[in-house]
Amino acid sequence: EIVLTQSPATLSLSPGERATLSCRASQSVGSSLAWYQQKPGQAPRLLINDASSRATGIPARFSGSGSGTDFTLTISSLEPEDFAVYYCQQRSNPITFGQGTRLEIK
Amino acid sequence: QVQLVQSGPEVKKPGASVKVSCKASGYSFSSYGITWVRQAPGQGLEWMGWISAYNGKTDYAQKFQGRVTMTTDTTTSTAYMDLRSLRSDDTAVYYCARDFRYYFDFWGRGTVVTVSS
Repeated sequence: EIVLTQSPATLSLSPGERATLSCRASQSVGSSLAWYQQKPGQAPRLLINDASSRATGIPARFSGSGSGTDFTLTISSLEPEDFAVYYCQQRSNPITFGQGTRLEIK
Repeated sequence: QVQLVQSGPEVKKPGASVKVSCKASGYSFSSYGITWVRQAPGQGLEWMGWISAYNGKTDYAQKFQGRVTMTTDTTTSTAYMDLRSLRSDDTAVYYCARDFRYYFDFWGRGTVVTVSS
């Protein structure tokens, strides 16, 4: 099973700042990595698939990068609605998720 | 628009079974798989398994093998997840999601399952 480790666990930033979230895989997943956003009481929302492709309707301030074992989700300028929990996910069987990064308002 | 509408909350006793439904609309049901993911209170996301809506092929996480059954009814575009021998640590929100190349692009709102004596 591929273990995904996200860092930091919590990130405290202000609106307008740049957010950088990390996801490290225990073995190479190539580019087969996705990022999701989850707000309280809501289902997750797909942001990025294949490490760097934005899903339909996702704003351009969200970008993904990386390959192999190290991946990054960047939010270029935080909007108030971006404060949420973010998960990475790899798609090798069994599918696994990272433990999440909580992005909170500073 | 794509929608996945899940069944309502459930309260079950330990040892019982629960069956959660997920009715799809807005797309060709048989063209995609359905994945089930659960989230225990305050915890992260856990993949339970996948079913092809095309041919009913399933793939379950090892943790749930023998305890879960996923099915689909293409006549009603509905997927089902049946979990047996419930324990208190099965208390969670259970989500269905449309599977897009093993990424999950549309999600249901979740079904709360509470297991308590």
